[in-house]
Amino acid sequence: SQQGEEDPQALSIQEGENATMNCSYKTSINNLQWYRQNSGRGLVHLILIRSNEREKHSGRLRVTLDTSKKSSSLLITASRAADTASYFCATVLPSGGYNKLIFGAGTRLAVHP
Amino acid sequence: GAGVSQSPRYKVAKRGQDVALRCDPISGHVSLFWYQQALGQGPEFLTYFQNEAQLDKSGLPSDRFFAERPEGSVSTLKIQRTQQEDSAVYLCASSAGEGGGYTFGSGTRLTVV
Repeated sequence: SQQGEEDPQALSIQEGENATMNCSYKTSINNLQWYRQNSGRGLVHLILIRSNEREKHSGRLRVTLDTSKKSSSLLITASRAADTASYFCATVLPSGGYNKLIFGAGTRLAVHP
Repeated sequence: GAGVSQSPRYKVAKRGQDVALRCDPISGHVSLFWYQQALGQGPEFLTYFQNEAQLDKSGLPSDRFFAERPEGSVSTLKIQRTQQEDSAVYLCASSAGEGGGYTFGSGTRLTVV
């Protein structure tokens, strides 16, 4: 079963708008990662935020983490048509001496020109 | 190589056939993961290797699934007597170790007919 739940399941916006995706999880984590997946392709690592961090930026991406609410958000600013993809949050759990990466169901983002 | 390589890219199997999926991780990466991704879903954890040791196989859905990494580099996921519900994309990921992101291959899309 999956650890994370993304919200919304699907998001449709116009180019130039901001896109916000949320992720909730259930248990304590070491860190949380966001990945992007284009149709028919593998996952690409976007950004990692550690459990002791609250906010992180990378280019047009901004990730927040609230460990008290067990939630994270990914904001993509000034979206482009090329940002169209599925976005997954993945929690990294300590498990038997290694870090286990558990994914949510993803948010499918469509950015229209 | 520069990335994680998976082969074949696509595989069509008749129900009851055995299949073998190959993963070439990034050279020197200690950790290797296999995931199964059904259409429209997030990746589900199957198994984890640390070098040649299979430390976690809790995600393998049945005893028809078997994975190995005999020399701590290339890994093979074998599915015996394939069933229609095995149809999915099988993703391999590798990591150098603790604390970082994971590099995913493009996956093998398995269709059981």
